[in-house]
Formats: sequence, structure tokens, C-alpha cells
Amino acid sequence: QQQVKQSPQSLIVQKGGISIINCAYENTAFDYFPWYQQFPGKGPALLIAIRPDVSEKKEGRFTISFNKSAKQFSLHIMDSQPGDSATYFCAASMTGGGNKLTFGTGTQLKVEL
Amino acid sequence: DGGITQSPKYLFRKEGQNVTLSCEQNLNHDAMYWYRQDPGQGLRLIYYSQIVNDFQKGDIAEGYSVSREKKESFPLTVTSAQKNPTAFYLCASRAGTGIYNEQFFGPGTRLTVL
Repeated sequence: QQQVKQSPQSLIVQKGGISIINCAYENTAFDYFPWYQQFPGKGPALLIAIRPDVSEKKEGRFTISFNKSAKQFSLHIMDSQPGDSATYFCAASMTGGGNKLTFGTGTQLKVEL
Repeated sequence: DGGITQSPKYLFRKEGQNVTLSCEQNLNHDAMYWYRQDPGQGLRLIYYSQIVNDFQKGDIAEGYSVSREKKESFPLTVTSAQKNPTAFYLCASRAGTGIYNEQFFGPGTRLTVL
């Protein structure tokens, strides 16, 4: 059962452009939405996270937009750089039950010069 | 230098063999997790533990076993009952029970069945 759907599967963006990755969830009990960045052969690392009581969170070039009524959230990478080329995963978890993360299927981003 | 270590980095297994993947953390985290990563499927939870001597099944626990005898260690055994074990295995840990506490990942172990 795929509770977090992520799109697109892959994305190619020119240097300096905006990268946008979208996720949709089904379980309204989710109350924490992190994004992870993973480089080949490495473990994922937390990039940015948002709680459902805010609609947007920005950290440097990375912004999460959150739409609670639509059950959707997205990651925007402004001024994309070749060093941003990686796989990005959205995730969601709910209070209790071990605070387990449910991950999307990932988006492979390539930023070209 | 705090963090999560996983060993070995690469592991090869013959069909019918059990293998154990190591995960150690020196972050003094209470909770530890094991995920499996396959191309195009994201990360799927195998087992997790919130406290020593206690653990729970995740979404794909069949064919796997774990133990949590020490706070810093959470080894995963891939048994011969796991029909398709070739994958990238990731261990993670998290401090406390707060939902907003970050989950940190180790560098992973790539298991290949020969």
C-alpha cells in the first residue's frame, strides 16, 4: 500500500533553474513531513522538514510548500546547482507507533550545466 | 566523532545462507530502524526498536530477524527464508520519542545474493 506518492520519478533541470518535486499522501493522521537527499552509495540525509500547521518553510535555496486540504506537499529547489544532483525522497510520519517514516519512491534529479 | 556505522559495506551471500548486517550508533539514541532500498521503490521499513530488548515488525519483516541487546547496537539477520534479499540495507536511529526528532541514517550495506 503506497501511502505517499511521489512524482516525477526523474527530473532534469538546467543550472540556475527551479526544481520541483511533488508528493501526495493519503493518511490524514500524518503530522510530520521531511525531505531526504541521497547521493549514490550513501545513506539519506535530512534536507528540510515541515509540520502541518504551516503552509511553507524555507531554508536557503530549499522550500517546502504544504497544502493540508489537498494532502499534498512539494519541494522547490531554487537556483539549482550541479551539486544538487541526487535522489530526493519525501516522507511522512505520525505521532506514536514508533514514529515510523513512510517514504515516497524517490526522484532522481540531474542538474545540467 | 558521533554517528552510525554499518558493516560490511558490501556483502555477498550464497542462496540458503543466513547473513548478519551490523549497525552501531554512538549518538545515545533510543530508537533504531532497519530499511530496505530497492530501485524505484523508495525505503521500506523492516524492523524498528524503541528501547533495548524490544522491537517491532515493520512493513516487510518476513525473512528477517533482529535483536536489541544493547542500546548502541541493532543487528539485522537476513535469513534463507527471504526470497529476494539483494538490496541496499540502511540502518537509522533517532533520539527520544518526539516526532520531530531527526532520523539519522548510516552509510548502508549492499547485499548481493550469488
